[in-house]
Amino acid sequence: GAVVSQHPSWVICKSGTSVKIECRSLDFQATTMFWYRQFPKQSLMLMATSNEGSKATYEQGVEKDKFLINHASLTLSTLTVTSAHPEDSSFYICSAATVDSYEQYFGPGTRLTVT
Amino acid sequence: AQSVSQHNHHVILSEAASLELGCNYSYGGTVNLFWYVQYPGQHLQLLLKYFSGDPLVKGIKGFEAEFIKSKFSFNLRKPSVQWSDTAEYFCAVDQTGANNLFFGTGTRLTVIP
Repeated sequence: GAVVSQHPSWVICKSGTSVKIECRSLDFQATTMFWYRQFPKQSLMLMATSNEGSKATYEQGVEKDKFLINHASLTLSTLTVTSAHPEDSSFYICSAATVDSYEQYFGPGTRLTVT
Repeated sequence: AQSVSQHNHHVILSEAASLELGCNYSYGGTVNLFWYVQYPGQHLQLLLKYFSGDPLVKGIKGFEAEFIKSKFSFNLRKPSVQWSDTAEYFCAVDQTGANNLFFGTGTRLTVIP
């Protein structure tokens, strides 16, 4: 149980285009989903927290207009990287938590490369 | 600001050796503490967690960790590692109520058969 999937697992896009990454909780309802970014050989950095049906809460320094997060249902959250640039290339990881659990279940991550 | 330090970047051990990975955090208030493991090609999985109570917590696969409040530490231990323990280990800290995890930079463990 508690499986989280991400799609796609890797994506290459051209600079200036937008990319959407999906995060799904497959066997539970996730009231809260989290988006992290991981640079090579560095730790995961929390980008934003989203609650179903509400606007996402972004961490300091994260551009909300660039990283659009939607959490329209209890099993799906999406992260859209708008007008991507090479510096946005990174590993994006989502996690999900239920209302009564303090544990986050992580997805496998999505590697984004912007050329 | 919250910070989490994992001093060991890469640890190499032979099978059956004992393991201790260090984790220190900077937040002075009440915290929840976690250790996650990431096996090659897989997603992060929870090894163990501490919320309150007995500061020595036991997790899956024979791992345990001890919370020492006075030292702001939450070190991970295993008495005898196996080759299958080869993975990246991340310590994470959460300020109670926020459910915002701050991760350390990770420690790569390589176990030599």
